[in-house]
Amino acid sequence: DAGVIQSPRHEVTEMGQEVTLRCKPISGHNSLFWYRQTMMRGLELLIYFNNNVPIDDSGMPEDRFSAKMPNASFSTLKIQPSEPRDSAVYFCASSLVAGINTGELFFGEGSRLTVL
Amino acid sequence: GENVEQHPSTLSVQEGDSAVIKCTYSDSASNYFPWYKQELGKGPQLIIDIRSNVGEKKDQRIAVTLNKTAKHFSLHITETQPEDSAVYFCAATGGGQNFVFGPGTRLSVLP
Repeated sequence: DAGVIQSPRHEVTEMGQEVTLRCKPISGHNSLFWYRQTMMRGLELLIYFNNNVPIDDSGMPEDRFSAKMPNASFSTLKIQPSEPRDSAVYFCASSLVAGINTGELFFGEGSRLTVL
Repeated sequence: GENVEQHPSTLSVQEGDSAVIKCTYSDSASNYFPWYKQELGKGPQLIIDIRSNVGEKKDQRIAVTLNKTAKHFSLHITETQPEDSAVYFCAATGGGQNFVFGPGTRLSVLP
């Protein structure tokens, strides 16, 4: 398997522009996560989906952030409008959750976002 | 909610020595404690995990110990090698998939 695939790997944009980050989870996994990593705040969970349904979006910073998972093999994280403080590395991860057992998270290589 | 602290933030050891990283958590309901290794420019990768019904787990040169009473768990790496240099994250979750990560430890193994 190719693992979790994220695109773009790097994005540089100007304040106010819309940013869309994309993720393809590992085939067969039923949970998908979006994390943000910064030096100041570390790894923060933004939102996670189970069977394509958003379960917990309490980590989404504000209304400028939105995430969708239209099918089991694709998810997007959108920031509109973007601000300099959104600059970070955004990770997508997927896992296979069976019953009550917590599954291993498989992370993609991340999308580094710079907002000027 | 859960809060995970991790110490030290940076650690330098000589090749061949042991390294120990410690984490504490706040939620007594947490029952799953993974450790992730992140190399430069890559995403975190699971290296070992432990569940609350076990006190210790070992996998070759790495081991994790858990003290549920004190709410802390530790990562032990023996016979360190240069390729062990990375950032290590502990995490805790009380079920479901809401992992809370520690702030990370940057380990440098000096040749």
